[in-house]
Amino acid sequence: EAQVTQNPRYLITVTGKKLTVTCSQNMNHEYMSWYRQDPGLGLRQIYYSMNVEVTDKGDVPEGYKVSRKEKRNFPLILESPSPNQTSLYFCASSLGGGDQPQHFGDGTRLSIL
Amino acid sequence: GESVGLHLPTLSVQEGDNSIINCAYSNSASDYFIWYKQESGKGPQFIIDIRSNMDKRQGQRVTVLLNKTVKHLSLQIAATQPGDSAVYFCAENSNDYKLSFGAGTTVTVRA
Repeated sequence: EAQVTQNPRYLITVTGKKLTVTCSQNMNHEYMSWYRQDPGLGLRQIYYSMNVEVTDKGDVPEGYKVSRKEKRNFPLILESPSPNQTSLYFCASSLGGGDQPQHFGDGTRLSIL
Repeated sequence: GESVGLHLPTLSVQEGDNSIINCAYSNSASDYFIWYKQESGKGPQFIIDIRSNMDKRQGQRVTVLLNKTVKHLSLQIAATQPGDSAVYFCAENSNDYKLSFGAGTTVTVRA
């Protein structure tokens, strides 16, 4: 089954404790992206990757890092999480960039205390 | 700045009626538009897309209309069912590498 898989689905942690949210897709998609979703703000892009070793900032990249060492994986790293990063996070992938449908994972709910 | 927005944050529809969800966009250079459905606890799910060389596209029970003159996008759902209750997002490609999303419309289907 074609899917985007995120882990963990839920995480409660404390300020400053580094965490990584993994994302993996099995569709051989070149493009992958991370979004955060906050009430009333819709989906805002954090980072995206056009291909292996190619990443770029989205609209809200501050406090986040990503890497794309393999085509299928695109982890999101919070080096020093803060409470304002409490949010619902989605990973997505597509064949292309902005002109192809993106397929989303089921989300990761992060709570930073 | 550029933005994608939906006209109404909520929409209540009687089961069996048709639903119309509206979206306004401001980037006249956008050439690809897409509608997503998000159910509680899940990620956005692709419904239908349309490119700027078209003004209408139909899927199963859904139709997307694009009016480039007034920069307006709409999603029509025929014979709305309880399973259509969800949040609906429109998105546009603000450049070659990203989609910009609106804030969403919550559709509630009344029995």
